[in-house]
Amino acid sequence: AQTVTQSQPEMSVQEAETVTLSCTYDTSENNYYLFWYKQPPSRQMILVIRQEAYKQQNATENRFSVNFQKAAKSFSLKISDSQLGDTAMYFCAFIGPPGSNYKLTFGKGTLLTVNP
Amino acid sequence: KAGVTQTPRYLIKTRGQQVTLSCSPISGHRSVSWYQQTPGQGLQFLFEYFSETQRNKGNFPGRFSGRQFSNSRSEMNVSTLELGDSALYLCASSLGLLNEQFFGPGTRLTVL
Repeated sequence: AQTVTQSQPEMSVQEAETVTLSCTYDTSENNYYLFWYKQPPSRQMILVIRQEAYKQQNATENRFSVNFQKAAKSFSLKISDSQLGDTAMYFCAFIGPPGSNYKLTFGKGTLLTVNP
Repeated sequence: KAGVTQTPRYLIKTRGQQVTLSCSPISGHRSVSWYQQTPGQGLQFLFEYFSETQRNKGNFPGRFSGRQFSNSRSEMNVSTLELGDSALYLCASSLGLLNEQFFGPGTRLTVL
């Protein structure tokens, strides 16, 4: 079974600085997808960024980028120029290819606080 | 385009009762997934439906069940409620599981 581990339950960063959230996963699959989702306080969960395992190039979305290390099974999220609105719970998620275990598996989350 | 809606938003039940939660996906989305979110266990997958068929199920007891209608709306039912069922139940819709999941606001269930 796939597992996703986020080793940092909480993190804080000053506004305008850069922060990196860690995520590791365990799978025997070769083709899979990785996601970072953001859940702001009392607001709906939204997708931040997505990475296909077959793509070597790291995904980027404006101030958000990932460091995808397939061999190390690591998928960290870097937030540049942090803004107060980035304060949220961040979840790393994994899904393998269609099959018997075809489901989105989430890590326990990292609570990120951006301080003014 | 309207987002994912879930009803009711809040629910208080007592042990032993049963509850039905509803989810209306984004128009055109045929995949609907359900998750249970608790502070201790985080987000746990309950089940996923695609075109009225349950494609996968998480590790939850049989008290948790669901279904999907021809218009892609989905319901989940929890029978014989236990205190540990208190959680935020999230529904997400997508074109497919490999696509972006759009989450609803959730239903906060409290079991007394």
